[in-house]
Amino acid sequence: DARVTQTPRHKVTEMGQEVTMRCQPILGHNTVFWYRQTMMQGLELLAYFRNRAPLDDSGMPKDRFSAEMPDATLATLKIQPSEPRDSAVYFCASGPQRGAGVYEQFFGPGTRLTVL
Amino acid sequence: AQSVTQPDIHITVSEGASLELRCNYSYGATPYLFWYVQSPGQGLQLLLKYFSGDTLVQGIKGFEAEFKRSQSSFNLRKPSVHWSDAAEYFCAVAGIQGAQKLVFGQGTRLTINP
Repeated sequence: DARVTQTPRHKVTEMGQEVTMRCQPILGHNTVFWYRQTMMQGLELLAYFRNRAPLDDSGMPKDRFSAEMPDATLATLKIQPSEPRDSAVYFCASGPQRGAGVYEQFFGPGTRLTVL
Repeated sequence: AQSVTQPDIHITVSEGASLELRCNYSYGATPYLFWYVQSPGQGLQLLLKYFSGDTLVQGIKGFEAEFKRSQSSFNLRKPSVHWSDAAEYFCAVAGIQGAQKLVFGQGTRLTINP
């Protein structure tokens, strides 16, 4: 049963610390997405990659957030320095490309981040 | 730009009763439409999707949704809910131009009374 996996599932850190979240997309999916979910804003797309290249990171605060795909089996989202307002659940999703786009996204279980 | 409205933040129904969750979208062309379900502490699971063709689509867990272009709606239905259906439900839209970018509604939380 192919699934998107994310680590860690929970992270509590102090303001100013670096946070790294990892995602393993489903094997064969070439598009990877990062979302953030909060009560106030709901689900927001932060960034997405295709074939490991960033296609759009306009939803991501550039000064402190960075997203990379070191290889096809690993996507990372880093926050440095972290702030209390970054507290949220961060989801990774992956999908197979079909034609011009991706029409199905499969979500991981999320990383719940708390910044004190 | 695409947008999605789910008018009901919270709905409570009795087990065995029918269910309809509303979703209205805004998009200039034919959209791609999705319903996802999120159980507590879990990620989102795709229930069903509409791309083209028959406007009544069947999904998993006994759910169905109907695309109505004239009303810009894509409401989710289930004839008889089970206690395990309690969850948060999200409607999402994507366009042909950048179809990979899903825009989600705010979600509807479903509570089931025994």
